[in-house]
Amino acid sequence: DAGVIQSPRHEVTEMGQEVTLRCKPISGHDYLFWYRQTMMRGLELLIYFNNNVPIDDSGMPEDRFSAKMPNASFSTLKIQPSEPRDSAVYFCASSLGPEQFFGPGTRLTVL
Amino acid sequence: QKEVEQNSGPLSVPEGAIASLNCTYSDRGSQSFFWYRQYSGKSPELIMFIYSNGDKEDGRFTAQLNKASQYVSLLIRDSQPSDSATYLCAVRGGADGLTFGKGTHLIIQP
Repeated sequence: DAGVIQSPRHEVTEMGQEVTLRCKPISGHDYLFWYRQTMMRGLELLIYFNNNVPIDDSGMPEDRFSAKMPNASFSTLKIQPSEPRDSAVYFCASSLGPEQFFGPGTRLTVL
Repeated sequence: QKEVEQNSGPLSVPEGAIASLNCTYSDRGSQSFFWYRQYSGKSPELIMFIYSNGDKEDGRFTAQLNKASQYVSLLIRDSQPSDSATYLCAVRGGADGLTFGKGTHLIIQP
C-alpha cells in the first residue's frame, strides 16, 4: 500500500485566497483525521470522520475552515479565506484500529 | 480542556544509555496512550501504545502507565543516534481523536 497520500506537499498563497488540501487514506481504513501542527500549539486535531461521516469538528478553528469526505477514498480540507495565522503543516491520518497512519503533510504558507 | 504535558527538552543522552521520556495528562477518563516519534520534517510514526497500568515492552522500547498518577513514560534502552527525534505523547478518551503533547526533543550523543 502506498500509505496516506496528501497533496499538495507545499502550498504558498496570499492572504484572502482559498486553499484546498487533499487526502487519500489507506484503502480499507474507516477513520480519517485532519491535524494541524505549529511550533506554538503542537499537533492539534481539527476534525475526524468515521465511514465518511464527520464525527467531531470541535477542533476546527473557525468557520473559514471546512472539511468533506465525499467517499472512502478522498477527503478535502478547505480554508476560505486564508490568513497568515493559518500557516502550518496540515496532516491527514487514517486508521482501522488503534494506530493512526499519518500522511507526509502539506506545508501551508499564507503571505 | 484535555491537556497533555511533556518537557520540551532537548534531552541529551549518551549513546548506549537509557533515555527516559515522561508525559502527564489531565483527563482522568483517558483510556489509551500512545508514543509517536517524529523526525524533523517528517510525519509522526507510532512506536507503541498502552491501555493498562504497568509496563509494556517492545524491543528496546518500554512504555509505562500509571493511571492513578496520570503519568505515562517511554524508556529507550541502548539508545542509538538514530533515536534522535521528537517524541510525542498522545492520549485518547472515549472519542477516537488523539490529544497530543508538544513533544520532547531527544538527542543521542555518539
